[in-house]
Amino acid sequence: GAVVSQHPSRVICKSGTSVKIECRSLDFQATTMFWYRQFPKKSLMLMATSNEGSKATYEQGVEKDKFLINHASLTLSTLTVTSAHPEDSSFYICSASTDRGEETQYFGPGTRLLVL
Amino acid sequence: LAKTTQPISMDSYEGQEVNITCSHNNIATNDYITWYQQFPSQGPRFIIQGYKTKVTNEVASLFIPADRKSSTLSLPRVSLSDTAVYYCLVGDNNNDMRFGAGTRLTVKP
Repeated sequence: GAVVSQHPSRVICKSGTSVKIECRSLDFQATTMFWYRQFPKKSLMLMATSNEGSKATYEQGVEKDKFLINHASLTLSTLTVTSAHPEDSSFYICSASTDRGEETQYFGPGTRLLVL
Repeated sequence: LAKTTQPISMDSYEGQEVNITCSHNNIATNDYITWYQQFPSQGPRFIIQGYKTKVTNEVASLFIPADRKSSTLSLPRVSLSDTAVYYCLVGDNNNDMRFGAGTRLTVKP
């Protein structure tokens, strides 16, 4: 299979600070990665699509200046929550599609963010 | 992107076979059907994927009728550890995947 990791697995920060979440494809190259957020007992909501070497495509209603996405290499995408507020507390999950012609995506374990 | 509709919740007992049906009436020609399982505070885990007819792996079976407007995930002999939320998605590898509400399966002893 394909493995996607996220770091950190959980983070607690003060309101107003910025938090960076990393998403890595460990054994494959990912030209496209996706970022989701999930509130308790709710479904995953797509935030943005991240393409290596180009700007991310954000979903309607997602503030691109608040959720900065950088896909600097074929194995790493980062999501930075800038000036975090308590309402940004959520479970953030990334996924990646492989370069093997598979028609599926592989998900990271998620990062739980708590903003105090 | 094709929208999916699933039952919100299902209950079952250990050892039973569970079938979860997903409707995707406007599925596109290039779309595959993929099912994921998610436990609390974990990322979704790939279960099975298919394009048409029947697909079987060591975990589940996926039945897709000829018109592809629906699909059924079949879990044989469920156990308590199969209690989770199951998501049906349609799309191709290069498109974003939008999750529906999912089906919350509860397996009882």
